Amino acid sequence: GQNIDQPTEMTATEGAIVQINCTYQTSGFNGLFWYQQHAGEAPTFLSYNVLDGLEEKGRFSSFLSRSKGYSYLLLKELQMKDSASYLCAVLDSNYQLIWGAGTKLIIKP
Amino acid sequence: GAVVSQHPSRVICKSGTSVKIECRSLDFQATTMFWYRQFPKQSLMLMATSNEGSKATYEQGVEKDKFLINHASLTLSTLTVTSAHPEDSSFYICSARRIGSGDYNEQFFGPGTRLTVL
Repeated sequence: GQNIDQPTEMTATEGAIVQINCTYQTSGFNGLFWYQQHAGEAPTFLSYNVLDGLEEKGRFSSFLSRSKGYSYLLLKELQMKDSASYLCAVLDSNYQLIWGAGTKLIIKP
Repeated sequence: GAVVSQHPSRVICKSGTSVKIECRSLDFQATTMFWYRQFPKQSLMLMATSNEGSKATYEQGVEKDKFLINHASLTLSTLTVTSAHPEDSSFYICSARRIGSGDYNEQFFGPGTRLTVL
């Protein structure tokens, strides 16, 4: 079966750095997405990785290792507004998005 | 660019009534639109995939006669929850894949519709 694992919840301090991991087992791979979702709102796009390596975009970076079926989202200089759920999703061989359950990130002052 | 709207954003209805939710891509044409359902503290669950002018493909366990999907044009898809019951209360989100999005295959999400069935 297809499976995406990410921690259920993480807590970090304002101004710090946090890394949210995602491991996946899917039928085929056409890219991995990270989305941010605030409570009661739809997901918003953060990043897309299809090749191995690190993609940096401002305070957010995303890393992919296809051989390990592993990705992480790195958030720097955390702000209170970063408190949200972060969803990892993989595009499988049928170009369907397979979603992780999401990681709820709690930022403390 | 790449804005997707949903209407209504929130609806409360009585059990047994039908509710229609519209999903529109405002500034692009969408080859494919997706309908998701999300229960509290759970991940997005794909309900169906619809392509303009053809029948929707429903995921296993989703009743196609209960959740009617019409993809009338390249910018509009509708989801009708027929004879809604309290267990259908959920957050419904649509997304659209843009024509010519190339390698990206990015989906653009609508803001979601909160359905509460009393």
